[in-house]
Amino acid sequence: EVHLLESGGGLVQPGGSLRLSCAASGFTFSNYAMGWVRQAPGKGLEWVTGVHAGGAKTNFPDSVKGRFTISRDNSKNTLYLQMNSLRAEDTAVYYCASMQGWTFEYWGQGTLVTVSS
Amino acid sequence: QSALTQPASVSGSPGQSITISCTGTSSDVGSYKFVSWYQQHPGKAPKLMISEGDKRPSGVSNRFSGSKSGNTASLTISGLQAEDEADYYCCSYVGSGTLMFGGGTKLTVL
Repeated sequence: EVHLLESGGGLVQPGGSLRLSCAASGFTFSNYAMGWVRQAPGKGLEWVTGVHAGGAKTNFPDSVKGRFTISRDNSKNTLYLQMNSLRAEDTAVYYCASMQGWTFEYWGQGTLVTVSS
Repeated sequence: QSALTQPASVSGSPGQSITISCTGTSSDVGSYKFVSWYQQHPGKAPKLMISEGDKRPSGVSNRFSGSKSGNTASLTISGLQAEDEADYYCCSYVGSGTLMFGGGTKLTVL
């Protein structure tokens, strides 16, 4: 059974940094593209970024471009999202998801990031 | 770039069919087959319901179907059931390694 577990969320001040992790199990992690999607409180889903199985990265929406970086460690079956220069509008639940092509196939339960002073 | 356009809400009675639209442009929905649909119950993670426009993953009820015409993709749910009440989101590849979600549609089963 596919299992994705996000961690690393929490309260951070504006301008601060945070690194999210997503531990994967139940499938051959190195064979799959992975992505991050976020959801601000009471709002819709927003694609954040993705990384292909071979390591090539997808683009970023303008809202996070230049501030967020995605990476993966296939030896640890773990996906990461490094978030810098955080803003109040980055407050959201962050989901990691396995990807099949351009589809988010399996989702984790999410981790909440709150940016506030 | 703006989010794909979905109706804010739709409703239907048990047993009825409803359709949720997802409208983009000739540069996104109209150009690619990579439209997917997700169901999200309150407080839960999204769940994949339809991929690549009309493909239903294993385990998803055949009451859910997807289609596309021009710049608009659609999700149809037939034989509405109480447990279908949820938020639904479309997502499309829009080129240059970029994805975009619709604004979401709240489905109410009357």
